[in-house]
Amino acid sequence: EIVLTQSPGTLSLSPGERATLSCRASQSVSSNYLAWYQHKPGQAPRLLMYGVSSRAGGIPARFSGSGSGTDFTLTISRLEPEDFAVYYCQQYGGSWTFGQGTKVEIK
Amino acid sequence: EVQLVESGGGLVQPGGSLRLSCAASGFTFSSYWVHWVRQAPGKGLVWVSRIDTSGRYTDYADSVKGRFTISRDNAKNTLDLQMNSLRADDTAMYYCARGVGRLGETPYYFDNWGQGTLVTVSS
Repeated sequence: EIVLTQSPGTLSLSPGERATLSCRASQSVSSNYLAWYQHKPGQAPRLLMYGVSSRAGGIPARFSGSGSGTDFTLTISRLEPEDFAVYYCQQYGGSWTFGQGTKVEIK
Repeated sequence: EVQLVESGGGLVQPGGSLRLSCAASGFTFSSYWVHWVRQAPGKGLVWVSRIDTSGRYTDYADSVKGRFTISRDNAKNTLDLQMNSLRADDTAMYYCARGVGRLGETPYYFDNWGQGTLVTVSS
């Protein structure tokens, strides 16, 4: 099973700042089967990115994804108030696994 | 509008059973894999189980294999999760999610999720 490790655990930033979230896999993620989700308390998780760098429908352009192999990054270019949430990466390599999450909180 | 609505959660004693359901609407349910994903209190998302479009092929996380059974009724647009021999560490919010992928790919990510149903295993 591929283990995903996200860092940092918590990111304390101010609105308008850039957020860089990391997701590292224990082995290469095949076929770029890597997605990112945003999750707010009491809400359903929301798909942000799939295929490493493709934005899901309705996701603003300030969200971008990059990476390959074992190292992936989600970048939020300028944080808006609604972006403060927990973010998860997820991969498929025969089974589905999630990272442990990065909380983006208001500084 | 795609909608997934879970139900059936509640308080159950260790060793007990519970059946969760997910009602789907707004899309052709029979054309999609569907999954259960859970989140224990204060913890992250964990994949639990998936079922293919026909209902013939299923997968389970090791932690629930042999105790949980996923099933679907394409005529009623519903997904179920039968949970037996429940343990305290099964306590979580359980989400159903629609699995998708690009043409020719395994449906590897989840584009729509329900709001979840809470399962608490405690004496």
